[in-house]
Amino acid sequence: DAKTTQPPSMDCAEGRAANLPCNHSTISGNEYVYWYRQIHSQGPQYIIHGLKNNETNEMASLIITEDRKSSTLILPHATLRDTAVYYCIVRGTTDSWGKLQFGAGTQVVVTP
Amino acid sequence: DAGVIQSPRHEVTEMGQEVTLRCKPISGHNSLFWYRQTMMRGLELLIYFNNNVPIDDSGMPEDRFSAKMPNASFSTLKIQPSEPRDSAVYFCASSPRTLTSTEAFFGQGTRLTVV
Repeated sequence: DAKTTQPPSMDCAEGRAANLPCNHSTISGNEYVYWYRQIHSQGPQYIIHGLKNNETNEMASLIITEDRKSSTLILPHATLRDTAVYYCIVRGTTDSWGKLQFGAGTQVVVTP
Repeated sequence: DAGVIQSPRHEVTEMGQEVTLRCKPISGHNSLFWYRQTMMRGLELLIYFNNNVPIDDSGMPEDRFSAKMPNASFSTLKIQPSEPRDSAVYFCASSPRTLTSTEAFFGQGTRLTVV
């Protein structure tokens, strides 16, 4: 039961902003939106998460629509090291807290 | 902190043999997860523990798989007997559980090949 929908792949030019969309139209009020990425041959790495408000950290920004049915992860200045599979996940804070379920993600390729 | 530590990094074994994968979570984290990753099925959650207690093992494929967490600093995932279809990368992750939810930290994984 996929809770999120992401494009399978996207390319981005080095130095440009990468905008990664995610649809989560069935998200419930107590569920957070999480983003992880997985660089080849490594374990997944946490990027950012949010509930309602937009969030920013040293890695990325997360923009969540007002109805919370979709979000966008923004990598402001993509580098070659940002080439990875990016996963958008919804995760609850109660019974479903532990179920960090990964979908297929978006394969992002940053090109010189 | 050294992060989540998994051992071994690579394991090659013959079909029918017992395999034990090990994980040391980050100190102070009270949740631990085991995942399996294959090309066909992606990242699958097998089981997770809170405070050393298994909470949800619905992702464990079958009785050949078992996981234990005898204390807060150690967990094992055992496959007995192993089969070629168990070949995958197995990841362990740990997380400090808070009321507002937070991130999980993953180890580097164990690449298991069953021949």
